[in-house]
Amino acid sequence: SQTIHQWPATLVQPVGSPLSLECTVEGTSNPNLYWYRQAAGRGLQLLFYSVGIGQISSEVPQNLSASRPQDRQFILSSKKLLLSDSGFYLCAWSVRDMGTGELFFGEGSRLTVL
Amino acid sequence: AQSVAQPEDQVNVAEGNPLTVKCTYSVSGNPYLFWYVQYPNRGLQFLLKYITGDNLVKGSYGFEAEFNKSQTSFHLKKPSALVSDSALYFCAVRDTGRGSTLGRLYFGRGTQLTVWP
Repeated sequence: SQTIHQWPATLVQPVGSPLSLECTVEGTSNPNLYWYRQAAGRGLQLLFYSVGIGQISSEVPQNLSASRPQDRQFILSSKKLLLSDSGFYLCAWSVRDMGTGELFFGEGSRLTVL
Repeated sequence: AQSVAQPEDQVNVAEGNPLTVKCTYSVSGNPYLFWYVQYPNRGLQFLLKYITGDNLVKGSYGFEAEFNKSQTSFHLKKPSALVSDSALYFCAVRDTGRGSTLGRLYFGRGTQLTVWP
């Protein structure tokens, strides 16, 4: 069966520090990968998605970047965190091409920037 | 443009009563529709989906949803609510029309369901 792992689960970082959140998927190949941010426990904002190694699409301009160094690894990064980067970050995957499109989410990473 | 609306931020029901969480959508082609549930500080869990076929879809934890093409709705229902159903519920749609971003899901803003004893 497929599983998705995110870490760290919680993170408290000072303003201006770097960030790296990691996500890995097991039990599937060539997945579509996604990073979402959820602010104030409500709506989901799609940040990045990837259809393959090294292929990253950004949905909104921001202080963050994403990379996909391996087929089942997706990393969210920042060089200098802002207060507004605080939030709950969710990684997700979906079956590429012939899938029906449902997403399968990780357990999330809560980032607090002080 | 694709979109999903969840008109109620909050739904409150008593345990044992039926519950409905509303969702309407807008797509250019045929929709694929999904419901997710999120418990506090957790990721979203997939509940059910409608792709084609029977308009009434059954999912996890006793939930079901009814697809209504004429009303462009996909309301989530449960005949008898439990306190443990209290959570945040998200409706999502995937557009299969021409020009849609393959695999992209559009989420509603979420509805907080509270079931009191």
